[in-house]
Amino acid sequence: NAGVTQTPKFQVLKTGQSMTLQCAQDMNHNSMYWYRQDPGMGLRLIYYSASEGTTDKGEVPNGYNVSRLNKREFSLRLESAAPSQTSVYFCASSDRGGRGNSGANVLTFGAGSRLTVL
Amino acid sequence: AQTVTQSQPEMSVQEAETVTLSCTYDTSESDYYLFWYKQPPSRQMILVIRQEAYKQQNATENRFSVNFQKAAKSFSLKISDSQLGDAAMYFCAYRTWGFGNEKLTFGTGTRLTIIP
Repeated sequence: NAGVTQTPKFQVLKTGQSMTLQCAQDMNHNSMYWYRQDPGMGLRLIYYSASEGTTDKGEVPNGYNVSRLNKREFSLRLESAAPSQTSVYFCASSDRGGRGNSGANVLTFGAGSRLTVL
Repeated sequence: AQTVTQSQPEMSVQEAETVTLSCTYDTSESDYYLFWYKQPPSRQMILVIRQEAYKQQNATENRFSVNFQKAAKSFSLKISDSQLGDAAMYFCAYRTWGFGNEKLTFGTGTRLTIIP
Protein backbone atom coordinates (compact mmCIF):
# COMPACT_ATOMS: atom_id res chain seq x y z
CA ASN A 1 0.00 0.00 0.00
CA ALA A 2 1.89 3.06 -1.27
CA GLY A 3 -0.41 5.74 0.22
CA VAL A 4 0.37 9.12 -1.37
CA THR A 5 3.12 9.26 -3.97
CA GLN A 6 4.47 12.52 -5.29
CA THR A 7 7.11 13.16 -7.92
CA PRO A 8 9.70 14.47 -8.33
CA LYS A 9 11.31 14.54 -4.88
CA PHE A 10 13.78 17.25 -5.86
CA GLN A 11 13.79 19.78 -8.68
CA VAL A 12 15.85 22.83 -9.56
CA LEU A 13 14.35 25.35 -11.96
CA LYS A 14 15.41 28.63 -13.47
CA THR A 15 13.16 31.67 -13.13
CA GLY A 16 10.47 31.57 -15.80
CA GLN A 17 10.57 27.82 -16.39
CA SER A 18 7.48 25.71 -15.93
CA MET A 19 6.98 22.37 -14.27
CA THR A 20 4.32 20.05 -12.91
CA LEU A 21 4.36 18.23 -9.61
CA GLN A 22 2.52 14.94 -9.78
CA CYS A 23 0.56 13.33 -6.96
CA ALA A 24 -1.31 10.04 -6.80
CA GLN A 25 -3.07 8.23 -3.97
CA ASP A 26 -4.24 4.64 -3.83
CA MET A 27 -6.55 4.87 -0.80
CA ASN A 28 -9.71 5.78 -2.73
CA HIS A 29 -9.86 9.13 -0.93
CA ASN A 30 -12.23 11.80 -2.16
CA SER A 31 -10.23 14.88 -1.15
CA MET A 32 -6.74 15.91 -2.18
CA TYR A 33 -4.58 18.89 -1.28
CA TRP A 34 -1.41 20.76 -2.15
CA TYR A 35 0.49 22.53 0.63
CA ARG A 36 3.75 24.41 0.67
CA GLN A 37 6.08 24.51 3.66
CA ASP A 38 8.42 27.43 4.30
CA PRO A 39 10.66 27.95 7.34
CA GLY A 40 8.81 29.57 10.22
CA MET A 41 5.48 29.54 8.39
CA GLY A 42 4.19 26.02 8.81
CA LEU A 43 2.17 24.48 6.00
CA ARG A 44 -0.01 26.71 3.88
CA LEU A 45 -2.73 25.43 1.58
CA ILE A 46 -2.28 26.20 -2.11
CA TYR A 47 -5.24 24.39 -3.68
CA TYR A 48 -7.50 21.55 -2.77
CA SER A 49 -10.00 19.27 -4.42
CA ALA A 50 -12.92 18.07 -2.31
CA SER A 51 -13.97 15.57 -4.95
CA GLU A 52 -13.17 14.49 -8.47
CA GLY A 53 -13.97 17.31 -10.87
CA THR A 54 -13.76 20.13 -8.35
CA THR A 55 -10.89 22.36 -7.25
CA ASP A 56 -10.74 25.37 -4.96
CA LYS A 57 -8.18 27.96 -4.00
CA GLY A 58 -6.49 27.81 -0.66
CA GLU A 59 -4.51 30.42 1.22
CA VAL A 60 -1.68 30.97 -1.32
CA PRO A 61 -2.89 30.08 -4.86
CA ASN A 62 -1.16 32.80 -6.87
CA GLY A 63 1.31 31.46 -9.43
CA TYR A 64 -0.10 27.93 -9.37
CA ASN A 65 -2.66 25.88 -11.24
CA VAL A 66 -4.02 22.44 -10.44
CA SER A 67 -5.74 19.59 -12.21
CA ARG A 68 -7.74 16.80 -10.62
CA LEU A 69 -7.18 14.32 -13.41
CA ASN A 70 -9.25 11.57 -11.82
CA LYS A 71 -10.00 10.36 -8.32
CA ARG A 72 -6.42 9.18 -7.82
CA GLU A 73 -4.36 12.03 -9.27
CA PHE A 74 -3.99 15.71 -8.43
CA SER A 75 -1.24 17.71 -10.13
CA LEU A 76 0.22 21.13 -9.32
CA ARG A 77 1.64 23.28 -12.11
CA LEU A 78 3.96 26.26 -11.95
CA GLU A 79 3.57 28.08 -15.26
CA SER A 80 6.42 30.58 -14.77
CA ALA A 81 8.49 29.75 -11.73
CA ALA A 82 9.73 32.54 -9.45
CA PRO A 83 12.31 32.45 -6.64
CA SER A 84 9.46 33.05 -4.15
CA GLN A 85 8.16 29.60 -5.07
CA THR A 86 11.25 27.93 -3.65
CA SER A 87 9.72 25.67 -1.04
CA VAL A 88 8.89 22.13 -0.02
CA TYR A 89 5.60 21.00 -1.50
CA PHE A 90 3.37 18.38 0.04
CA CYS A 91 0.47 16.55 -1.49
CA ALA A 92 -2.10 14.99 0.84
CA SER A 93 -5.38 13.15 0.66
CA SER A 94 -8.22 12.39 3.05
CA ASP A 95 -11.45 10.53 3.32
CA ARG A 96 -14.70 12.02 4.49
CA GLY A 97 -16.68 9.76 6.73
CA GLY A 98 -18.80 10.64 9.70
CA ARG A 99 -18.30 10.67 13.42
CA GLY A 100 -16.67 7.65 14.92
CA ASN A 101 -14.81 6.74 11.75
CA SER A 102 -11.27 6.64 13.02
CA GLY A 103 -9.79 7.22 9.58
CA ALA A 104 -12.07 10.05 8.61
CA ASN A 105 -10.76 13.51 8.11
CA VAL A 106 -7.17 12.48 8.72
CA LEU A 107 -4.80 13.77 6.08
CA THR A 108 -2.24 11.33 4.71
CA PHE A 109 0.78 13.10 3.28
CA GLY A 110 3.25 12.33 0.55
CA ALA A 111 6.99 12.51 1.24
CA GLY A 112 7.32 16.05 -0.09
CA SER A 113 9.02 17.65 -3.08
CA ARG A 114 11.81 20.16 -2.60
CA LEU A 115 11.73 22.79 -5.32
CA THR A 116 14.44 25.40 -5.81
CA VAL A 117 13.95 28.27 -8.24
CA LEU A 118 17.14 30.11 -9.16
CA ALA B 1 -11.04 32.60 9.05
CA GLN B 2 -9.65 30.13 11.50
CA THR B 3 -6.13 30.64 12.85
CA VAL B 4 -3.82 28.33 14.77
CA THR B 5 -1.05 29.66 17.00
CA GLN B 6 1.94 27.79 18.37
CA SER B 7 3.81 30.24 20.56
CA GLN B 8 6.83 28.02 21.27
CA PRO B 9 9.13 27.88 18.22
CA GLU B 10 11.52 25.54 20.06
CA MET B 11 11.36 23.27 23.10
CA SER B 12 13.78 20.82 24.64
CA VAL B 13 13.36 18.03 27.17
CA GLN B 14 15.55 15.47 28.85
CA GLU B 15 15.10 11.91 27.67
CA ALA B 16 12.46 10.08 29.78
CA GLU B 17 10.96 13.34 31.02
CA THR B 18 7.58 14.88 30.14
CA VAL B 19 7.06 17.88 27.88
CA THR B 20 3.97 19.86 26.89
CA LEU B 21 3.61 21.70 23.59
CA SER B 22 1.08 24.52 23.42
CA CYS B 23 -1.47 25.34 20.75
CA THR B 24 -4.30 27.85 20.67
CA TYR B 25 -6.79 28.43 17.89
CA ASP B 26 -9.43 30.91 16.96
CA THR B 27 -12.77 29.90 15.49
CA SER B 28 -16.42 30.79 15.65
CA GLU B 29 -17.45 27.22 14.91
CA SER B 30 -18.73 24.88 17.58
CA ASP B 31 -17.87 21.62 15.85
CA TYR B 32 -14.42 20.89 14.47
CA TYR B 33 -11.39 18.62 14.60
CA LEU B 34 -7.94 19.26 16.03
CA PHE B 35 -4.76 17.37 15.19
CA TRP B 36 -1.13 17.11 16.12
CA TYR B 37 1.25 16.09 13.35
CA LYS B 38 4.90 15.19 13.76
CA GLN B 39 7.56 15.91 11.12
CA PRO B 40 10.90 14.17 11.79
CA PRO B 41 14.05 15.03 9.81
CA SER B 42 12.86 12.65 7.08
CA ARG B 43 10.28 15.37 6.28
CA GLN B 44 7.37 12.90 6.37
CA MET B 45 4.24 14.25 8.07
CA ILE B 46 2.92 11.74 10.60
CA LEU B 47 -0.35 11.98 12.50
CA VAL B 48 0.21 11.85 16.26
CA ILE B 49 -3.25 12.36 17.69
CA ARG B 50 -6.73 13.63 16.80
CA GLN B 51 -9.47 15.27 18.87
CA GLU B 52 -13.09 15.83 17.91
CA ALA B 53 -14.49 18.97 19.52
CA TYR B 54 -17.81 17.39 20.45
CA LYS B 55 -15.98 14.86 22.63
CA GLN B 56 -15.19 16.13 26.11
CA GLN B 57 -12.75 13.33 26.84
CA ASN B 58 -9.16 14.11 26.00
CA ALA B 59 -7.60 11.89 23.33
CA THR B 60 -4.65 9.65 24.19
CA GLU B 61 -2.31 7.54 22.08
CA ASN B 62 0.21 5.62 24.16
CA ARG B 63 2.71 8.21 25.48
CA PHE B 64 0.90 11.08 23.76
CA SER B 65 -2.10 12.84 25.24
CA VAL B 66 -3.85 16.14 24.79
CA ASN B 67 -5.39 18.70 27.10
CA PHE B 68 -8.36 20.04 25.15
CA GLN B 69 -9.92 23.15 26.68
CA LYS B 70 -12.75 24.11 24.33
CA ALA B 71 -13.81 27.29 26.11
CA ALA B 72 -10.24 28.55 26.19
CA LYS B 73 -9.62 27.32 22.61
CA SER B 74 -6.50 25.54 23.76
CA PHE B 75 -5.16 22.19 22.57
CA SER B 76 -1.84 21.20 24.14
CA LEU B 77 0.13 18.00 23.49
CA LYS B 78 1.81 16.15 26.34
CA ILE B 79 4.57 13.68 25.58
CA SER B 80 5.43 11.39 28.48
CA ASP B 81 8.65 9.40 28.87
CA SER B 82 10.27 11.30 25.99
CA GLN B 83 12.39 9.24 23.64
CA LEU B 84 15.10 10.21 21.18
CA GLY B 85 12.77 9.28 18.34
CA ASP B 86 10.35 12.00 19.46
CA ALA B 87 12.72 14.69 18.20
CA ALA B 88 10.85 16.45 15.40
CA MET B 89 8.79 19.46 14.37
CA TYR B 90 5.29 19.26 15.78
CA PHE B 91 2.40 20.98 14.08
CA CYS B 92 -1.02 21.69 15.51
CA ALA B 93 -3.84 21.77 12.95
CA TYR B 94 -7.54 22.60 12.80
CA ARG B 95 -10.40 21.79 10.46
CA THR B 96 -14.07 22.50 10.49
CA TRP B 97 -16.40 19.55 10.69
CA GLY B 98 -18.58 18.87 7.72
CA PHE B 99 -18.34 17.98 4.08
CA GLY B 100 -16.83 20.50 1.74
CA ASN B 101 -14.58 21.92 4.46
CA GLU B 102 -11.90 19.26 4.62
CA LYS B 103 -8.87 21.55 4.45
CA LEU B 104 -6.55 21.83 7.43
CA THR B 105 -5.16 25.05 8.89
CA PHE B 106 -1.72 24.56 10.45
CA GLY B 107 0.22 26.39 13.12
CA THR B 108 3.83 27.42 12.51
CA GLY B 109 5.25 24.47 14.42
CA THR B 110 7.38 23.73 17.47
CA ARG B 111 10.77 22.11 17.09
CA LEU B 112 11.29 19.57 19.87
CA THR B 113 14.81 18.52 20.87
CA ILE B 114 15.41 15.51 23.10
CA ILE B 115 18.50 15.75 25.33
CA PRO B 116 20.11 12.36 26.02
